[in-house]
Amino acid sequence: AQKITQTQPGMFVQEKEAVTLDCTYDTSDQSYGLFWYKQPSSGEMIFLIYQGSYDEQNATEGRYSLNFQKARKSANLVISASQLGDSAMYFCAMREGVNGQNFVFGPGTRLSVLP
Amino acid sequence: DTGVSQNPRHKITKRGQNVTFRCDPISEHNRLYWYRQTLGQGPEFLTYFQNEAQLEKSRLLSDRFSAERPKGSFSTLEIQRTEQGDSAMYLCASSPGGLNTEAFFGQGTRLTVV
Repeated sequence: AQKITQTQPGMFVQEKEAVTLDCTYDTSDQSYGLFWYKQPSSGEMIFLIYQGSYDEQNATEGRYSLNFQKARKSANLVISASQLGDSAMYFCAMREGVNGQNFVFGPGTRLSVLP
Repeated sequence: DTGVSQNPRHKITKRGQNVTFRCDPISEHNRLYWYRQTLGQGPEFLTYFQNEAQLEKSRLLSDRFSAERPKGSFSTLEIQRTEQGDSAMYLCASSPGGLNTEAFFGQGTRLTVV
């Protein structure tokens, strides 16, 4: 069974608009971490934002925020004021396990920002 | 420290040959991961080391794949008798311990089997 599901293979957004990228996850652990990474066409994996399972506040990092709904097991990424440079693949990932050793990724969403 | 380093960046090999990739993690990171990524897909977990111990190995990793991390420093991933289906980007990542620490990725090694 897939641990991480990203149901949007591709998304389009107009420059300066906000966009939400969906992520749902599956775990039986009580303690886990959720991460979002960006992979531009150059190929490097860039860490964006982290949310811990016990964090009560939604994480924010600049223009990135994470809409964490624990009961629904969802961790959606919100990008505000989209920029052309935001065009990339976005991956949701989860770290779980007794020592946090399992680190798995979803299939990704390709975001295209339109001028 | 300049981050996670992977060598070579590109490798073209003939089917049936053996290849070896190297990953140098960030020096204070005790965790090291190998992933395989094909075009348009997410990274697929291959194997995980904590220090020198290989603690997890994916079912995706056939007997032709082997990984080592001697002395808990750099790691190597070897593919024996390569097949065309092995063509992919091989990513290495390292992280410190804990649930709340992100993994830092190298630039990857792109393998093409012809």
